Amino acid sequence: AQSVAQPEDQVNVAEGNPLTVKCTYSVSGNPYLFWYVQYPNRGLQFLLKYITGDNLVKGSYGFEAEFNKSQTSFHLKKPSALVSDSALYFCAVRPLSGGYNKLIFGAGTRLAVHP
Amino acid sequence: SAVISQKPSRDICQRGTSLTIQCQVDSQVTMMFWYRQQPGQSLTLIATANQGSEATYESGFVIDKFPISRPNLTFSTLTVSNMSPEDSSIYLCSVVTGGADTQYFGPGTRLTVL
Repeated sequence: AQSVAQPEDQVNVAEGNPLTVKCTYSVSGNPYLFWYVQYPNRGLQFLLKYITGDNLVKGSYGFEAEFNKSQTSFHLKKPSALVSDSALYFCAVRPLSGGYNKLIFGAGTRLAVHP
Repeated sequence: SAVISQKPSRDICQRGTSLTIQCQVDSQVTMMFWYRQQPGQSLTLIATANQGSEATYESGFVIDKFPISRPNLTFSTLTVSNMSPEDSSIYLCSVVTGGADTQYFGPGTRLTVL
């Protein structure tokens, strides 16, 4: 079965430190990969995506993500965390089979950045 | 990206009633989807809203419970029928524009069923 795993329910980091939010996937082929962020009482906001090309992709708000095909991972990173980055982060995968834009989401990781 | 709005933003409903949620986009979009996010959970796709034809439902979701309309390329509705407390969730619509690969989400509708 196709799935997305975010192994950490919560990540705690001090402001100014680098952060990593992990994501691994189990999908056949070369899927499209996405990160979204959800702030309290808000919908999902698109952060970045990997389709093809350079394994390091840059997105909104200084976030970037590194695609690793051999490890089937797509970890979200930021060099210096801000308190305002505290939110719920979702990794999502779009399998290339299925014929349409279906997204499979991970369970989400809550990021808490402490002053 | 397209500007997506949903109405209502939240509602509290009684068991056995129905609620219709609207999703409006400020430009024509290729595809529209409806998701459910149960409390403390991730997002689950309910269905793809097809313009001018019946929606395509995912396993575990049926038209009688979640009827969907999409009369044109900028608007869709999701009805949650005969509600029970288990239907308490955030319901989100998402869209894909043109030939793009990215889904953009509306702000969501927070539904509480008593």
